Amino acid sequence: RKEVEQDPGPFNVPEGATVAFNCTYSNSASQSFFWYRQDCRKEPKLLMSVYSSGNEDGRFTAQLNRASQYISLLIRDSKLSDSATYLCVDFRGGGYNKLIFGAGTRLAVHP
Amino acid sequence: DTAVSQTPKYLVTQMGNDKSIKCEQNLGHDTMYWYKQDSKKFLKIMFSYNNKELIINETVPNRFSPKSPDKAHLNLHINSLELGDSAVYFCASSQNRAGEQYFGPGTRLTVT
Repeated sequence: RKEVEQDPGPFNVPEGATVAFNCTYSNSASQSFFWYRQDCRKEPKLLMSVYSSGNEDGRFTAQLNRASQYISLLIRDSKLSDSATYLCVDFRGGGYNKLIFGAGTRLAVHP
Repeated sequence: DTAVSQTPKYLVTQMGNDKSIKCEQNLGHDTMYWYKQDSKKFLKIMFSYNNKELIINETVPNRFSPKSPDKAHLNLHINSLELGDSAVYFCASSQNRAGEQYFGPGTRLTVT
């Protein structure tokens, strides 16, 4: 089983739609998670952190469900510029500081 | 005012050659990383340095050797290149071993 699993998509949605991605993680001891965004042929960029209490940043909301070991990202009012691959990340601290990336979910927003 | 820069951006070379990729960050971070993104877009950590000390060394062939001359630089040297080394290599940095990492633009390596 992969350490972080995501539906690769693509998710094709019209502008203005609400779309949600989930990802599951295998390490029950993991504490910190992130969503990164990667545009085509570009570097990954941090989108937002994921907290147990949830985290909202404008149109983006991230949630963590520890009992079920999954993380979600909700994007409201999708824009064309949201088209990208969204990477779910398990952060392993404890002195090692490893980011364990999922393979990513591709989102395509069309007019 | 680029935060994390890498050179070269593209690298095409033949099997058996030795090549280096350079990375520099001007963010004042104390931790730097090398990641490999293969053809399936899977991003995986290779090495991590904290204050010039190697702290992560994943299962990577010893043909790959990182070198950190100072906190702002982390280079990657690859000996005897193989076809399977073709990938995009990303450098990244962070402060205090945090999960917020800043990535360079990547080096697209093609081995023929």
